[in-house]
Amino acid sequence: SAVISQKPSRDICQRGTSLTIQCQVDSQVTMMFWYRQQPGQSLTLIATANQGSEATYESGFVIDKFPISRPNLTFSTLTVSNMSPEDSSIYLCSVWGRGSDYGYTFGSGTRLTVV
Amino acid sequence: AQRVTQPEKLLSVFKGAPVELKCNYSYSGSPELFWYVQYSRQRLQLLLRHISRESIKGFTADLNKGETSFHLKKPFAQEEDSAMYYCALADMTTDSWGKLQFGAGTQVVVTP
Repeated sequence: SAVISQKPSRDICQRGTSLTIQCQVDSQVTMMFWYRQQPGQSLTLIATANQGSEATYESGFVIDKFPISRPNLTFSTLTVSNMSPEDSSIYLCSVWGRGSDYGYTFGSGTRLTVV
Repeated sequence: AQRVTQPEKLLSVFKGAPVELKCNYSYSGSPELFWYVQYSRQRLQLLLRHISRESIKGFTADLNKGETSFHLKKPFAQEEDSAMYYCALADMTTDSWGKLQFGAGTQVVVTP
């Protein structure tokens, strides 16, 4: 299955600042997604990262707060902008695989703490 | 709208006992269902996908469309099965292709 490298693995940030999270995949993938897992909660889809076009955001998530880039089929970034303590979560990158890898593969996540 | 329900937040079982994690869903189309597992300090991993009808680490899950369920079962629990388990449904309709809806998760604790 696809191997996903996500970084940073964790960070502690000051409120009002921004953090960019990187997701690198070892093979070309069509579908890439960003999820958020708030403390003690399940995973929630933030957006679908589209190569060559603007990301598709889910209800409750906006581009100004979570800008996403997808310059090619193996790389994407998620920025958490103007952070507040409520943004403290684990952010995960995910890709969709086909054939024998059918299903989703997840990165190891970025644990963000905003102070 | 699609919805995935895992009614048990915590499931505590003894080693060697059977374990069943419940998952019910609501979805208007043909569902693509998965079970994911997250061991302590590890990344989320795909455990089972209904389309493959496979058995992984002794776990099985059968899709019951009549009861809209996809329960996860293992006949004899092992200590290494202690983890958080998520049931998830993939939306494969044209407008929402690939979106994954997760249940709230069930924490399994297997005691010796």
